[in-house]
Amino acid sequence: GENVEQHPSTLSVQEGDSAVIKCTYSDSASNYFPWYKQELGKGPQLIIDIRSNVGEKKDQRIAVTLNKTAKHFSLHITETQPEDSAVYFCAASRFQKLVFGTGTRLLVSP
Amino acid sequence: NAGVTQTPKFQVLKTGQSMTLQCAQDMNHEYMSWYRQDPGMGLRLIHYSVGAGITDQGEVPNGYNVSRSTTEDFPLRLLSAAPSQTSVYFCASSYEGQMNTEAFFGQGTRLTVV
Repeated sequence: GENVEQHPSTLSVQEGDSAVIKCTYSDSASNYFPWYKQELGKGPQLIIDIRSNVGEKKDQRIAVTLNKTAKHFSLHITETQPEDSAVYFCAASRFQKLVFGTGTRLLVSP
Repeated sequence: NAGVTQTPKFQVLKTGQSMTLQCAQDMNHEYMSWYRQDPGMGLRLIHYSVGAGITDQGEVPNGYNVSRSTTEDFPLRLLSAAPSQTSVYFCASSYEGQMNTEAFFGQGTRLTVV
């Protein structure tokens, strides 16, 4: 089955810096790669996703890149703000069955 | 539009007790799933359903049962609670189809088994 690895487990940055979180997956049949943000005491919420037929997608300060050959994908957050502090999860999926990474705790210091 | 609603939010059980975690969605989504979240392990799939009357096992199904009698509801039953089932449980729903779509999560149920 699918296995998703996520790094780093914790990431501390200064406000205004960029943050990068990386994930690798094992199943070449996976074709959907969402990223979720989870704030304390809440359920995960989708922030951006990418499909296997696209190499890069951007939404304001957030971007995701996908390298199908190497089976890895990354989340890039630019101009970080304190409200970006949360736990971020990557996931890989085929036919709606999501397999999650272990999460990255991002701390943005003012 | 409530989205995905989970009840209860918190629960303490004694070892051996049984209980049902409720999940309801009002988005007419065919696909529903249950995950458990443990520190350092991300979210792991327990059971899922692609429509009313159809359920299947995920990665960690032992000790849990599910049923799907309606499109809206997908309850998770713990048959005989064990301390290893102490976790935060999330229900999610999404549109079922050939193309993957956004999964919407509930607020979670924090379960402690003593």
